Amino acid sequence: GENVEQHPSTLSVQEGDSAVIKCTYSDSASNYFPWYKQELGKGPQLIIDIRSNVGEKKDQRIAVTLNKTAKHFSLHITETQPEDSAVYFCAAQSQTSYDKVIFGPGTSLSVIP
Amino acid sequence: NAGVTQTPKFRILKIGQSMTLQCTQDMNHNYMYWYRQDPGMGLKLIYYSVGAGITDKGEVPNGYNVSRSTTEDFPLRLELAAPSQTSVYFCASSYLSYNEQFFGPGTRLTVL
Repeated sequence: GENVEQHPSTLSVQEGDSAVIKCTYSDSASNYFPWYKQELGKGPQLIIDIRSNVGEKKDQRIAVTLNKTAKHFSLHITETQPEDSAVYFCAAQSQTSYDKVIFGPGTSLSVIP
Repeated sequence: NAGVTQTPKFRILKIGQSMTLQCTQDMNHNYMYWYRQDPGMGLKLIYYSVGAGITDKGEVPNGYNVSRSTTEDFPLRLELAAPSQTSVYFCASSYLSYNEQFFGPGTRLTVL
């Protein structure tokens, strides 16, 4: 079945700097890749997603890139702010995993003012 | 819209006790999911449902049961609670598969 790895597990950046989180997936049939942000004590919330027919997607300070050949996808946050501090999860979904969404283990991002 | 609501927020169980975690969504979503979140382990799918009357197992279904009699409700039943079921449980819903999932606030369960 699908397996999603995520790095780093923790990330600390200065306010205003960029943050990059990388994920790899094992199932070449995966075609939907969402990213969720989880603030302390809350449920995860979708921040951006990308489908396999697109290589890059951007939404204000957040961008996601997808390399299907290498089975990598990454989240880029520019001009980080303290409110970006949270746990970020990447995920992958494919028909061969019976449409289940498989989540990575998460990255704890701290933005230092 | 309230979105996805879960009750209770916190619960402590003794080994061998049973309980039901409630989940309700008011967005008329077809798909509903139950996940558990252990520290540093991400989210693991327990059970999911693609519509009323239809449920299926996820990655970690052992020790749990679900039912989906209405579009809105998707309760998760724990029978014979064990310490390994200590976790935070999240319910989620989506209108379609391969789309955004909306998560509830979670239930923190401790089994002693």
